[in-house]
Amino acid sequence: DGGITQSPKYLFRKEGQNVTLSCEQNLNHDAMYWYRQDPGQGLRLIYYSQIVNDFQKGDIAEGYSVSREKKESFPLTVTSAQKNPTAFYLCASSGLVGEQFFGPGTRLTVL
Amino acid sequence: AQSVTQLGSHVSVSEGALVLLRCNYSSSVPPYLFWYVQYPNQGLQLLLKYTSAATLVKGINGFEAEFKKSETSFHLTKPSAHMSDAAEYFCAVSESGDSSYKLIFGSGTRLLVRP
Repeated sequence: DGGITQSPKYLFRKEGQNVTLSCEQNLNHDAMYWYRQDPGQGLRLIYYSQIVNDFQKGDIAEGYSVSREKKESFPLTVTSAQKNPTAFYLCASSGLVGEQFFGPGTRLTVL
Repeated sequence: AQSVTQLGSHVSVSEGALVLLRCNYSSSVPPYLFWYVQYPNQGLQLLLKYTSAATLVKGINGFEAEFKKSETSFHLTKPSAHMSDAAEYFCAVSESGDSSYKLIFGSGTRLLVRP
C-alpha cells in the first residue's frame, strides 16, 4: 500500500536535547512538508521541500532543521533552540494538484 | 496574502441532522480548496477538493462542498450526520499558480454529534 509513515508515534525529549522525527513516503511525490499542530489550533508549516537536496522555511522554522537526501525521506530535527516543542507533528507529501496526504503524526513531549 | 476562516470552533448536531461547517477564504488568484478530517491522535484525511472544475464537489463519507466565488466561501455539508462523523474538520487553501502547493489551514471546527 502507498502511503506516508512517521516514527515514532510518541517521543519524549529532555531539556537541551535534539530529537529527530522520521517521515517516509512511497507515493513518488516530489514535495514534502512538516507541520506543527497545537491544541485548538490549525496546522502551521515548519519546512517544506519541493525536490531532493532543496528545502525552504515555512512560517515557524526557528528551532527546527530538516534534510532531503532522498525523495522518499524528509526527517525533521527539533533542536534545543526550540523552547516550546511539545506538540503534534505531521508530515505530508503533495499530489498532482496540490492535495496533501498526511502521515499518522508524532506526538512530542518535553519532560 | 491567503487566509482561511472557519466560523465556529465547535458545532453540535443531532444524529440524522444536517451538518454545515463554514469556510471562507481570501486569495488574490484562483484558489484550490480542500476539506480534511482529523480523528483524535491521527493524521488528516482528505475529504474533498476543489480545483476549478465543477463548483459542487462531492467527497467521501457523503460530504460535499460548494465553491461560491462571489461569497469567497467553500462550506462543507452532509445531509444526515452519523455518530462516526464526530471529528475535527479543517478547511485549507492554496494558490493555483503556486508550484510549492503550500496549504494555508483554518483553525478547525470540532463536530460533535449527539445521539
